[in-house]
Amino acid sequence: SAVISQKPSRDICQRGTSLTIQCQVDSQVTMMFWYRQQPGQSLTLIATANQGSEATYESGFVIDKFPISRPNLTFSTLTVSNMSPEDSSIYLCSVETASTYEQYFGPGTRLTVT
Amino acid sequence: AQKVTQAQTEISVVEKEDVTLDCVYETRDTTYYLFWYKQPPSGELVFLIRRNSFDEQNEISGRYSWNFQKSTSSFNFTITASQVVDSAVYFCALSEARHFNKFYFGSGTKLNVKP
Repeated sequence: SAVISQKPSRDICQRGTSLTIQCQVDSQVTMMFWYRQQPGQSLTLIATANQGSEATYESGFVIDKFPISRPNLTFSTLTVSNMSPEDSSIYLCSVETASTYEQYFGPGTRLTVT
Repeated sequence: AQKVTQAQTEISVVEKEDVTLDCVYETRDTTYYLFWYKQPPSGELVFLIRRNSFDEQNEISGRYSWNFQKSTSSFNFTITASQVVDSAVYFCALSEARHFNKFYFGSGTKLNVKP
């Protein structure tokens, strides 16, 4: 398995500001993903973080709102830009290891936008 | 249309009771994977099981068991002799071979186990 950490674990932000969430894995992984879980809802895939190239976004998510970086095989960031209260969610980083098809999830970042 | 349906929004049981969480999926792919994850109040998602579409053998792991039936497109999860620590939200998920890394999650079932 992979051990995943996220920073910050939670934050309260003001409308109109931006927050960058970091995801660090303890080993090199093939794939990294970012999910959003709105309050009381299921998880929705935002994008696949590609190393060395632009992230691949799912329908309904755009780079201007959720810029993503992945500079190497163990680290990625997700920025939530120009936040509004609707962005209040848990944001989870997920990784897929090279040896299995299992996806492991980080502890999540609980974001509240006021 | 939803690819994964968890019709039970919330279930409450008393400790030591058995409980089954239902999951029905929809896909046109012949190759796919099904998953169950547990999300305790802390928020972290805990991987429980992965099953591929070619393996219909039921699986048991301690108090947990899974019943995969392709004929009814179901992948149900049973907890035997439930414990308070089993209280969590449980998610069923599907990934399809053509876009394997994309997970479709069900809406989750909140399980409350009372002492």
